[in-house]
Amino acid sequence: DGGITQSPKYLFRKEGQNVTLSCEQNLNHDAMYWYRQDPGQGLRLIYYSQIVNDFQKGDIAEGYSVSREKKESFPLTVTSAQKNPTAFYLCASSIYQGRSRNYGYTFGSGTRLTVV
Amino acid sequence: AQKITQTQPGMFVQEKEAVTLDCTYDTSDQSYGLFWYKQPSSGEMIFLIYQGSYDEQNATEGRYSLNFQKARKSANLVISASQLGDSAMYFCAMREDLMFSAGGTSYGKLTFGQGTILTVHP
Repeated sequence: DGGITQSPKYLFRKEGQNVTLSCEQNLNHDAMYWYRQDPGQGLRLIYYSQIVNDFQKGDIAEGYSVSREKKESFPLTVTSAQKNPTAFYLCASSIYQGRSRNYGYTFGSGTRLTVV
Repeated sequence: AQKITQTQPGMFVQEKEAVTLDCTYDTSDQSYGLFWYKQPSSGEMIFLIYQGSYDEQNATEGRYSLNFQKARKSANLVISASQLGDSAMYFCAMREDLMFSAGGTSYGKLTFGQGTILTVHP
């Protein structure tokens, strides 16, 4: 079955370390997105990519980096410059263009990152 | 810039009763899509319902309906016959769309509201 796989499910990071969150999809979707969710809050967009080898900053990109070398993969690196990285991270994908406007996102199951 | 507002941090409803979750939005675009997602405590995001800005009929999906009032820029979710399994966080979201004259649509990014925690009592 097609879907999005995020790994790991739980991740612990020491202060000052970079960590990379994995996101892989086999839905043949063009666009991929990374969101951050803090407890009891909504989702905020970190980065998104609508085509391979291209990506744009979202609302809270500082302290994060991404790459999009393959259509299927959109890894997110949380760098040491991100001062408060403890959060729930969700990856999503969608088609970029189509003829049906009823086309939402498919989400992964998320990664819970904790700084220790 | 898009903005989504959910003014109800928490809502309570009795099992089998109906409940309305409020959502207002702000956009200058003519073409956009409105979505509702459910997030249980596991964290997964479950798509519930979609309403396009040009749709004249309110969307319905089983026990979910979307009360779309375009002039008021509101897109409230109505859940009928609440069940205990409906207890979760609910998010309203909006996506900007770019429609091409030749047909077809380019989809923008989703912007989410702050969410409403719904608790269903037995």
